[in-house]
This record gives sequence, C-alpha cells and structure tokens, in this order.
Amino acid sequence: DGGITQSPKYLFRKEGQNVTLSCEQNLNHDAMYWYRQDPGQGLRLIYYSQIVNDFQKGDIAEGYSVSREKKESFPLTVTSAQKNPTAFYLCASRIPPGDTEAFFGQGTRLTVV
Amino acid sequence: AQSVTQPDIHITVSEGASLELRCNYSYGATPYLFWYVQSPGQGLQLLLKYFSGDTLVQGIKGFEAEFKRSQSSFNLRKPSVHWSDAAEYFCAVGAHYGGATNKLIFGTGTLLAVQP
Repeated sequence: DGGITQSPKYLFRKEGQNVTLSCEQNLNHDAMYWYRQDPGQGLRLIYYSQIVNDFQKGDIAEGYSVSREKKESFPLTVTSAQKNPTAFYLCASRIPPGDTEAFFGQGTRLTVV
Repeated sequence: AQSVTQPDIHITVSEGASLELRCNYSYGATPYLFWYVQSPGQGLQLLLKYFSGDTLVQGIKGFEAEFKRSQSSFNLRKPSVHWSDAAEYFCAVGAHYGGATNKLIFGTGTLLAVQP
C-alpha cells in the first residue's frame, strides 16, 4: 500500500544531542513537508521541499535541518540548538503545486529528557 | 500572507446534534481549502477539499463544507454528530500556484467533544 512512514513513533533524547526523524513515502510525490504540532498551536511548518535536492525554510526552521537526496525520503534533524524540541512531528507529502491534498504520516513524538 | 483562523478552540456537542466548525482564511487569490481530522496521537486524515466550482463540497464521514468568498470562510458542517466524530479538526489553505508559496498553512485546530 502507498503511504508515508514516519519512524520511530516515540523518541527520547537527552539535552544537547542531535536526533534525526525519518520520513519515507512511496506515493511518488515531489513535495514533502515537516510540521511541528504543539497543543493549542496547530501545525507549524518547519521545512518543505518541492523537489529532490531543494528545500526551503518554513516558519520555525531555527534549530532544525533537513536533506532531500532522494525523492522518497525527507529526514528531519533536530539539533541541540532547538531550545524546546519536545513536540509531535508530522511529515506530509503531496503533488505540487496547490490543487492536491497532503498525505500525512502517523507522526513522531519527541521528548527531551 | 496566507493565514487561517479557527476561532473555536474547543466545542462540545451532544450526539445527534448538528455541528458547524468555523474557518476563516486570508489569501489574495482564489484559495485551495482543506479540512483535516486528527485522532489523538495520529496523523491527519483529509475530510474534504475545495478547489473550484460548486461552493458546497461533500466529504467523507457525512461532512460537508461551504466556501463563501465574500466572507472568506470555509465552515465545516455535519447534520448529526456521532460519538466517533470526537477528534481535532484542522482547516488549511494552500497556494493556488507554485513557486515559493507552494505550502499548506494550517489553523490552530478545533477540538470536538461529543456528549452522549
């Protein structure tokens, strides 16, 4: 079945460590997105990529980094520079430009301990 | 800039009652509009979408939404709510064209509780 797979579902990190969240899709979508979700704040865009080897900062990119070396993969690294990384992270993909819906993964809950 | 406002943070309705969730958007051109639903700890599932044409769109699970350009609104409705509809609902707007603005902007969500 086609879809988006995020792993792991739960992730614990010590302060000061970098951690990478995985997002893989087999929908053959060009565009991929990372969102952060906090209670009462909805989904905020971290990074997005419209094509392989290209990505743009979203609204809250500080402390995060991404790569897009393959069409099906868009990993997100939460660096030690991110001051408050504990959150629920959602990955999505779609066919650009705008007249298609985004498909979401099941999310990764990151907790800093 | 694109933006989406969902004025109701939390709504409680009785099972069998009708439901309307509000969504207002800000966008210079004709928007692409979406409603998503999220169960706790899960990803988002698309309920319905509006691109053009008929301003009343039907979605899954008995939901519908009406696009009103004059009010910049895209409210979600359901005539009779079921207990399984309890979830968080997100309205989103997408760019009408590609380029740097090719992204989805989400509202802050409305949490729906259903009373028996």
